[in-house]
Amino acid sequence: GAGVSQSPSNKVTEKGKDVELRCDPISGHTALYWYRQSLGQGLEFLIYFQGNSAPDKSGLPSDRFSAERTGGSVSTLTIQRTQQEDSAVYLCASSLGGLGANTEAFFGQGTRLTVV
Amino acid sequence: AQSVAQPEDQVNVAEGNPLTVKCTYSVSGNPYLFWYVQYPNRGLQFLLKYITGDNLVKGSYGFEAEFNKSQTSFHLKKPSALVSDSALYFCAVRDTNYGQNFVFGPGTRLSVLP
Repeated sequence: GAGVSQSPSNKVTEKGKDVELRCDPISGHTALYWYRQSLGQGLEFLIYFQGNSAPDKSGLPSDRFSAERTGGSVSTLTIQRTQQEDSAVYLCASSLGGLGANTEAFFGQGTRLTVV
Repeated sequence: AQSVAQPEDQVNVAEGNPLTVKCTYSVSGNPYLFWYVQYPNRGLQFLLKYITGDNLVKGSYGFEAEFNKSQTSFHLKKPSALVSDSALYFCAVRDTNYGQNFVFGPGTRLSVLP
């Protein structure tokens, strides 16, 4: 597609359930990022994928969070045993990445997760 | 480690007046600097970037930003604000020593009053 696509756009889940959020990056972009944004707040880095390199998971807040990127394209962010504090907008972005890359990132519309 | 500060949570300006949204950064290498805008219930949209060369960069919707190495700043400016410019603005940096994830500032909410 022309832009970064995220699904679902909205997700309401019960506390303790697992959720999967999907990101389809721009074709040809080797770098993919996940960020979390709480209501009206800044962006919290979660995880970064670059090509076939090991992902930078330094931003994942707990071991309940994990992400994978299959075939260097689509990525799935999984949150296990969701808690109310996980409620936020999860943003995915992609770019023509690589060390020293000077290209901007393009963001999807986000998935709004509400844990009740 | 790189970091970005946006010292103002909120900026109010009258329509037609010039606007400035401030950003300062800290990196160990050379910075790549970016501005993004977020409208309500939307993702972030890229406005402009500084990589190298001319310190004044021009971007979308009439916005521009000036890179100042000595002050480690990258303030966003527009000569004449529009009500439709009201949104949340984020400054971001990539450090050329690392070149990995973008580090974003906390955001500044711009309100342009008619």
